[in-house]
Amino acid sequence: RKEVEQDPGPFNVPEGATVAFNCTYSNSASQSFFWYRQDCRKEPKLLMSVYSSGNEDGRFTAQLNRASQYISLLIRDSKLSDSATYLCVVNMGNAGNMLTFGGGTRLMVKP
Amino acid sequence: NAGVTQTPKFRVLKTGQSMTLLCAQDMNHEYMYWYRQDPGMGLRLIHYSVGEGTTAKGEVPDGYNVSRLKKQNFLLGLESAAPSQTSVYFCASSSPAGGQPEAFFGQGTRLTVV
Repeated sequence: RKEVEQDPGPFNVPEGATVAFNCTYSNSASQSFFWYRQDCRKEPKLLMSVYSSGNEDGRFTAQLNRASQYISLLIRDSKLSDSATYLCVVNMGNAGNMLTFGGGTRLMVKP
Repeated sequence: NAGVTQTPKFRVLKTGQSMTLLCAQDMNHEYMYWYRQDPGMGLRLIHYSVGEGTTAKGEVPDGYNVSRLKKQNFLLGLESAAPSQTSVYFCASSSPAGGQPEAFFGQGTRLTVV
């Protein structure tokens, strides 16, 4: 079983739609969680951290469920510019603050 | 404000050749990482470093060596390149300070081994 698992998609949605991604992680001792965004042929960039209480940044909402070991990302009112791959990232809390990446979920927003 | 810089950005190698990828960061970060990303797969950790002079193996270290002689630089070496090492390589850095360590990535090196 992969340490961090995501549905690879692609998710094809029309502009204005709401779309949600889930990610599961295997290590219950994981300490911190992130969503990164990666555009085609570019480096990953932090989209948002995920806090236990849930957090929102504009159209984006991230939530963490420690009991079930999953995190989610909700995007409301999708824009064409949201088209990208979204990477679920987990910090296991081990030496070096190593980040473990999921395989990514590809989102395509269409007019 | 350069952040994390990788050189070169592109390279084509013949099987058996060697090369070194350079990663430089100007954020005074303690931790540095090398990842590879293959089509349809997530980033996989090759090696990492928690400070100057220290390195450790990640998930897929075979065929690679690294050095961290200076805090700001992290070098990834391929001694004898193989076609299986064709990939996009990303360097990243982060700091242990603060509650939520964000990793900053370089722009990537696209390596093809023929």
